[in-house]
Amino acid sequence: QKEVEQNSGPLSVPEGAIASLNCTYSDRGSQSFFWYRQYSGKSPELIMFIYSNGDKEDGRFTAQLNKASQYVSLLIRDSQPSDSATYLCAVNAGNQFYFGTGTSLTVIP
Amino acid sequence: ETGVTQTPRHLVMGMTNKKSLKCEQHLGHNAMYWYKQSAKKPLELMFVYNFKEQTENNSVPSRFSPECPNSSHLFLHLHTLQPEDSALYLCASSQDLGQSPNTEAFFGQGTRLTVV
Repeated sequence: QKEVEQNSGPLSVPEGAIASLNCTYSDRGSQSFFWYRQYSGKSPELIMFIYSNGDKEDGRFTAQLNKASQYVSLLIRDSQPSDSATYLCAVNAGNQFYFGTGTSLTVIP
Repeated sequence: ETGVTQTPRHLVMGMTNKKSLKCEQHLGHNAMYWYKQSAKKPLELMFVYNFKEQTENNSVPSRFSPECPNSSHLFLHLHTLQPEDSALYLCASSQDLGQSPNTEAFFGQGTRLTVV
């Protein structure tokens, strides 16, 4: 059973703060890792992906991957109310995508 | 149209009805997926098709029957569903199954299904 674990939250941060979202996975063969954002009643949309150990930055978002610890995180700097959503972590070991339950984030104005 | 399109967006059906969900992708992808999303649960993979061939059936009850006539279209035929089947059904596509590390899944808007 391949598992992707996330804290369901809710996670609340004040506007302008850094939001930190975490994800662990069980399959050491996983090779690519994704963060999706899902607004209520909408479909998931990709924020960013990472497949090498270390950090990857895209605007206010930074993904961090540590394959040895089987851990991937997403940092959102200067959080905005529009970032309020559920964030889904997904991994792929080369045959399909496995998703976590998602972390609900609320950014308080 | 671009991306992944699902119809209908909302569906209410009785337990004895037969209905179908449709998904179409205009991205030239080779893999297509059906996911079920229920409250407080992870996205549940139901079926995977790669080059029109089913590669995964995740122990889905036979009251759900997929059909993939070509790489651009995917259907989910529904019959004699139960109230607990009420959920958001999401279709997704990707270039391949993930052999390339930067392969991402693109989702349709989903069909909100209510079984009464």
